[in-house]
Amino acid sequence: AQSVTQLGSHVSVSEGALVLLRCNYSSSVPPYLFWYVQYPNQGLQLLLKYTSAATLVKGINDFEAEFKKSETSFHLTKPSAHMSDAAEYFCAVSEGWDDKIIFGKGTRLHILP
Amino acid sequence: GAVVSQHPSWVICKSGTSVKIECRSLDFQATTMFWYRQFPKQSLMLMATSNEGSKATYEQGVEKDKFLINHASLTLSTLTVTSAHPEDSSFYICSARGTASYGYTFGSGTRLTVV
Repeated sequence: AQSVTQLGSHVSVSEGALVLLRCNYSSSVPPYLFWYVQYPNQGLQLLLKYTSAATLVKGINDFEAEFKKSETSFHLTKPSAHMSDAAEYFCAVSEGWDDKIIFGKGTRLHILP
Repeated sequence: GAVVSQHPSWVICKSGTSVKIECRSLDFQATTMFWYRQFPKQSLMLMATSNEGSKATYEQGVEKDKFLINHASLTLSTLTVTSAHPEDSSFYICSARGTASYGYTFGSGTRLTVV
């Protein structure tokens, strides 16, 4: 069964600094990978998704992620953190376009002024 | 873009009563709906998957008689929490999948508090 592991339940970065949120996946087939953001008491917003096309995926709000098969990773990055980026981030995996999505445990991103 | 409307956004109910949560796809046909549950400061746990016109498939450990899911049309799925108890208090989120071009779209969630 597919799964994702997010390293670090909390990550703190200074405003303007690089954001790096780590995600490793496990899948028996070529995976579909997603990053979602959740603000308090709200649903999930898709940041970006990998669906077997380009390995470097660009998303909204200057986020991007790189699919590395050899490392089974899909880390999320943003060059310069903004205060509004403070939220919970979830990495997720699916084994097909019609398959269920399985979420990681999430990483809370804190932005320091 | 694809929009999923989930109602209510929050609900408080008495222990022993039932609560219905609706999830509607507003501008696409949702062939599959997923229902998730999220405890405070935790991840989303998949409860069940429902395909239009079929019985829902529940994940291991989820009581199908307690969490009734109906997906009678391509634009509406409902989750009914029957005989709710305080331990059912949680954040429930639906997700709808249409054609491949839409992918998955999430509702805004429902905060259920059972008192």
